[in-house]
Amino acid sequence: KQEVTQIPAALSVPEGENLVLNCSFTDSAIYNLQWFRQDPGKGLTSLLLIQSSQREQTSGRLNASLDKSSGRSTLYIAASQPGDSATYLCAVWVLDTGRRALTFGSGTRLQVQP
Amino acid sequence: GAVVSQHPSWVICKSGTSVKIECRSLDFQATTMFWYRQFPKQSLMLMATSNEGSKATYEQGVEKDKFLINHASLTLSTLTVTSAHPEDSSFYICSARDEALAGGADTQYFGPGTRLTVL
Repeated sequence: KQEVTQIPAALSVPEGENLVLNCSFTDSAIYNLQWFRQDPGKGLTSLLLIQSSQREQTSGRLNASLDKSSGRSTLYIAASQPGDSATYLCAVWVLDTGRRALTFGSGTRLQVQP
Repeated sequence: GAVVSQHPSWVICKSGTSVKIECRSLDFQATTMFWYRQFPKQSLMLMATSNEGSKATYEQGVEKDKFLINHASLTLSTLTVTSAHPEDSSFYICSARDEALAGGADTQYFGPGTRLTVL
């Protein structure tokens, strides 16, 4: 069964730093990988989706990479801001018992200090 | 962008009562909706896949008689927690897949979640 792990579990950085969040998955047979942001007590906001044939996606200060063969993805946040403070979730699309489903990691809680 | 709403946003109920949570896709049709549960400081766990016009598919360990799912139309799925108990207190999040998107990107749009507290 697919397992998704995110490291670190929590991270606190001063404003302006560049940072990297890591995601690893055990089964490389994935369709897509998606990064989400979740604010406390709120739903999920999709940040970036990388299709299995792609190696990276960029949106503004965010860049996500995907290495299927090694089962890894990274989310790079440039010039972090206090508004970036949230939990970041990595999720992979898998084919499970004949249907597609998302498997989530446990998240990285990011705090950007002003 | 596509919007998914949930109602209510929070609910407090007594043990033994039933609670219904609605999930709506506001500007697109969704033949497939998903229901997740999230306990404090944990990640989302898929509970079931809701299919319009047919029975839901439940994940292993999720009681289908306790968590009733009805996907009556292409824009509405409901989750009813029957005979709720304190251990059912959690954050319930739904998502809907936009089937019309080209490229098979499997984009899911998530609702804002419903906080259930069972006393």
